[in-house]
Amino acid sequence: TQLLEQSPQFLSIQEGENLTVYCNSSSVFSSLQWYRQEPGEGPVLLVTVVTGGEVKKLKRLTFQFGDARKDSSLHITAAQPGDTGLYLCAAQGAQKLVFGQGTRLTINP
Amino acid sequence: NAGVTQTPKFQVLKTGQSMTLQCAQDMNHNSMYWYRQDPGMGLRLIYYSASEGTTDKGEVPNGYNVSRLNKREFSLRLESAAPSQTSVYFCASSPLVLYGYTFGSGTRLTVV
Repeated sequence: TQLLEQSPQFLSIQEGENLTVYCNSSSVFSSLQWYRQEPGEGPVLLVTVVTGGEVKKLKRLTFQFGDARKDSSLHITAAQPGDTGLYLCAAQGAQKLVFGQGTRLTINP
Repeated sequence: NAGVTQTPKFQVLKTGQSMTLQCAQDMNHNSMYWYRQDPGMGLRLIYYSASEGTTDKGEVPNGYNVSRLNKREFSLRLESAAPSQTSVYFCASSPLVLYGYTFGSGTRLTVV
């Protein structure tokens, strides 16, 4: 079973600051996905990265897949209170996803 | 609205009671999944069904059973609930893992 480590586990910052969340493993991924989960709801897919070195942007969110396809990062520019939530990375395994433990992000006004 | 529907949303059970969590999707997805979510442990896979007629164990299957009733429905059964099964349960579906999952809104289960 692939083991995904996310860091930090908790992050609380002020509105307008930048932040980066990391997802690491000792295994090579065929693809990696990022989800955001709000309280009382299920996770919602943000992005899928497939190619080593790939960078995808979603408004103020930038996702990067490591060259060796063992790690990924999520960078948020000028964070807003609406970015508050639990961010989960998930690696593609055989017929299923394996999830990291999540980063709980709080953006304070 | 298209999506994954889970019932019930909340449930309290006494130790030893049984219950079935229901999940249905209307997106014609082949694969369906049951995860549990506990604080600090992310989402852990209980069982999955890669296609209608097949089911496989995930990371934490003990104490659970599943039924893929048809392409739309995938139920999770607790035969004899234990306090360790207190958790939030999520059902998800996918046409192909690479395309990502669509999750339901979860069932919050408490076993006392």
